[in-house]
Amino acid sequence: AQSVTQPDIHITVSEGASLELRCNYSYGATPYLFWYVQSPGQGLQLLLKYFSGDTLVQGIKGFEAEFKRSQSSFNLRKPSVHWSDAAEYFCAVGVRSGGSYIPTFGRGTSLIVHP
Amino acid sequence: DGGITQSPKYLFRKEGQNVTLSCEQNLNHDAMYWYRQDPGQGLRLIYYSQIVNDFQKGDIAEGYSVSREKKESFPLTVTSAQKNPTAFYLCASSFDRESGELFFGEGSRLTVL
Repeated sequence: AQSVTQPDIHITVSEGASLELRCNYSYGATPYLFWYVQSPGQGLQLLLKYFSGDTLVQGIKGFEAEFKRSQSSFNLRKPSVHWSDAAEYFCAVGVRSGGSYIPTFGRGTSLIVHP
Repeated sequence: DGGITQSPKYLFRKEGQNVTLSCEQNLNHDAMYWYRQDPGQGLRLIYYSQIVNDFQKGDIAEGYSVSREKKESFPLTVTSAQKNPTAFYLCASSFDRESGELFFGEGSRLTVL
């Protein structure tokens, strides 16, 4: 069965430090990959997506992610974290079901930013 | 502004009562989804609908029901058969069924007393 693994439940970084959030997936075909961000008590917002082509994708708020087929990974990075980046981050895979792709989500990583 | 509206934002109900959560979108999207979110468990798919008058069960459909009579509306009913209904419920829609990219509402928090 298809699955998405985010191995880190919590990540703590200092403001201004770099960030990398890990995501691994299990899927038989080339997937569609997404990163979403959720502020407390809110819905999710798309940060970036990978469909095909360049394996390094740029997103909003200064985030980027790199697709590595050999490692089945799609890690999210940011060179310098701001206090407002504190939130829950979800990796998702578009899984084919019938004629459409249905998103399957990881369990999320909570980012804590220290001043 | 286009978007997805969920209501109510907070809802309290007694055990054994059915409750209906509203989800309306004005994005002209064909596909709509309901997810349940519990701490540490990510988002789990309850039901989804790719077109009006059609919907499919997701991974955790037991104890829930939906309808899709209009393109812009996809209400979710949490029935008394749902054994642990207290959770945060998220509605989403998609303009691109080929990829699964989603737009989310702000969620509804249901607490069953």
